[in-house]
Amino acid sequence: SQQGEEDPQALSIQEGENATMNCSYKTSINNLQWYRQNSGRGLVHLILIRSNEREKHSGRLRVTLDTSKKSSSLLITASRAADTASYFCATDDWGGSTLGRLYFGRGTQLTVWP
Amino acid sequence: KAGVTQTPRYLIKTRGQQVTLSCSPISGHRSVSWYQQTPGQGLQFLFEYFSETQRNKGNFPGRFSGRQFSNSRSEMNVSTLELGDSALYLCASSFGLAGSNEQFFGPGTRLTVL
Repeated sequence: SQQGEEDPQALSIQEGENATMNCSYKTSINNLQWYRQNSGRGLVHLILIRSNEREKHSGRLRVTLDTSKKSSSLLITASRAADTASYFCATDDWGGSTLGRLYFGRGTQLTVWP
Repeated sequence: KAGVTQTPRYLIKTRGQQVTLSCSPISGHRSVSWYQQTPGQGLQFLFEYFSETQRNKGNFPGRFSGRQFSNSRSEMNVSTLELGDSALYLCASSFGLAGSNEQFFGPGTRLTVL
């Protein structure tokens, strides 16, 4: 299936450091999205990057996409304790039989220590 | 705009019972997706509805069903509850198809099956 995989599963850093999370997927995509989830809450959309884009920024977030390697990375610069959350990548299934469906990975748990 | 709302927020049921969860999407959104989230399996896709039609369905038994009304509100039903159905059930809405658009998630319904 298309389900993406985030790496690492868990990441622990100090405030002020940068955090990098990676996502790999299996089939062709039209776009890739990143979401954040605070413990036991709903997910919050962070960034959507389309397959013809290589990089996208939003505040302290930077997302890159390499369709030749079927991978993406999310960089959070100058991390804060409030960034502690799980981060998920999600892809569509472009050209597949489940067009329109969003596939989520298992997430990276980021802990930022004050 | 009001966000995605889910009712009830918490639910305790016993094995064999059935349950109905409700999701009200953001006004104007036509797509509603449902997900089951557990510590062991992560985020699992249940189904997606778009303009009252089920467009995609995940790999769940027939005990899990859903529907969408003309006002885009959606319900999911789980019959003959099993202990393993204990989970956080999330719904998400978007203007267009889930795979191509930012998803707005509700806070979830925490279902506990005893």
